[in-house]
Amino acid sequence: AQTVTQSQPEMSVQEAETVTLSCTYDTSESDYYLFWYKQPPSRQMILVIRQEAYKQQNATENRFSVNFQKAAKSFSLKISDSQLGDAAMYFCAYRSYNTDKLIFGTGTRLQVFP
Amino acid sequence: NAGVTQTPKFRVLKTGQSMTLLCAQDMNHEYMYWYRQDPGMGLRLIHYSVGEGTTAKGEVPDGYNVSRLKKQNFLLGLESAAPSQTSVYFCASSPPGQSSYEQYFGPGTRLTVT
Repeated sequence: AQTVTQSQPEMSVQEAETVTLSCTYDTSESDYYLFWYKQPPSRQMILVIRQEAYKQQNATENRFSVNFQKAAKSFSLKISDSQLGDAAMYFCAYRSYNTDKLIFGTGTRLQVFP
Repeated sequence: NAGVTQTPKFRVLKTGQSMTLLCAQDMNHEYMYWYRQDPGMGLRLIHYSVGEGTTAKGEVPDGYNVSRLKKQNFLLGLESAAPSQTSVYFCASSPPGQSSYEQYFGPGTRLTVT
């Protein structure tokens, strides 16, 4: 069975600085998708970024980028130029290529200080 | 286009009472899911459906039942609520197929069982 581990329960960053959130996963599959979801205090789950395992190039969405290391089964999220609105819970998630079920990590709470 | 909506947003139940959570989506998605979110545990899949009239068990199905009589609706039932079912419940939907790598989430329902 696949598992997703987020070893940082909480992180903090100063506004305009860069922060990296860690995620590791365990799988025996070669084809899969990885995601980062943001959950602000409103509770709404918002997709931040996704990565297809067959793509070697790291995904980027504006200030958000990932460092995908397939051999190491690592999928970290880098937030550049942090903003107060980035404060939220961030969840890493895994989806097998052949199913639509998401497996979530336990989340990292990010605080952003002015 | 409302996306995914959940009814109710909050509910308090006494142990042994029953209730039904309603999830509705207007995106014509085939797949729908119910998750629960507990502190420190991320989101866990309860049940899911890959089409009208079909349902399947997820990671934590015990104590819950579901029905998908209409494509746009996915109901989650608690027949005899227990304090261990105190949680935040999220519904999600996605289109089918390998291109369906994003799940769209509802705003959540906070359920307290006393």
